[in-house]
Amino acid sequence: EPEVTQTPSHQVTQMGQEVILRCVPISNHLYFYWYRQILGQKVEFLVSFYNNEISEKSEIFDDQFSVERPDGSNFTLKIRSTKLEDSAMYFCASTPSGAYNEQFFGPGTRLTVL
Amino acid sequence: AQSVTQLDSHVSVSEGTPVLLRCNYSSSYSPSLFWYVQHPNKGLQLLLKYTSAATLVKGINGFEAEFKKSETSFHLTKPSAHMSDAAEYFCVVQRGLTGTASKLTFGTGTRLQVTL
Repeated sequence: EPEVTQTPSHQVTQMGQEVILRCVPISNHLYFYWYRQILGQKVEFLVSFYNNEISEKSEIFDDQFSVERPDGSNFTLKIRSTKLEDSAMYFCASTPSGAYNEQFFGPGTRLTVL
Repeated sequence: AQSVTQLDSHVSVSEGTPVLLRCNYSSSYSPSLFWYVQHPNKGLQLLLKYTSAATLVKGINGFEAEFKKSETSFHLTKPSAHMSDAAEYFCVVQRGLTGTASKLTFGTGTRLQVTL
């Protein structure tokens, strides 16, 4: 069964460093998302992406964040200068269409900023 | 705007007894509603979804939920709990059809504990 994959599973970085989190969505899906879950808190929406552009972003998704679909299969989240408060589990999701459909989640990348 | 409220942060049941996890929603549009489950150190798995068809929705592993518009509720139930059901459960709302990518809004989660 097709699934969303994410790499790495765990990333440790120093504050101020850039990180790139990678996701491979399910191949025939058109809509892509990033969510994050700070330890002990609820899952929060970051950004949605369709047709090579951002569809919607949350207040969390400031200028330090960017997303890209560089090669038609990968979907990346870049954090330019990490902060301690960026430590969280980051989930990628994809769906065939924009509404009324299950979003398929990857296993997540745990980001630890020291 | 849409939101969900999960009324219990923690529920403990004995194996073989019924499970009830409560969720109330708020949405300006006709919503889609979902329940996702997260086992320890795992990703999010869809249990079931409501998308304006039948109000009683059956999901995987014997779970079901009933959409009650008059009560703005979408409670999750299971007749008989199993030890493997121990996990975090999230009630999730998505605004109605817009033709564009539509974000999910998560509740704060309910941790289900199942005891012998």
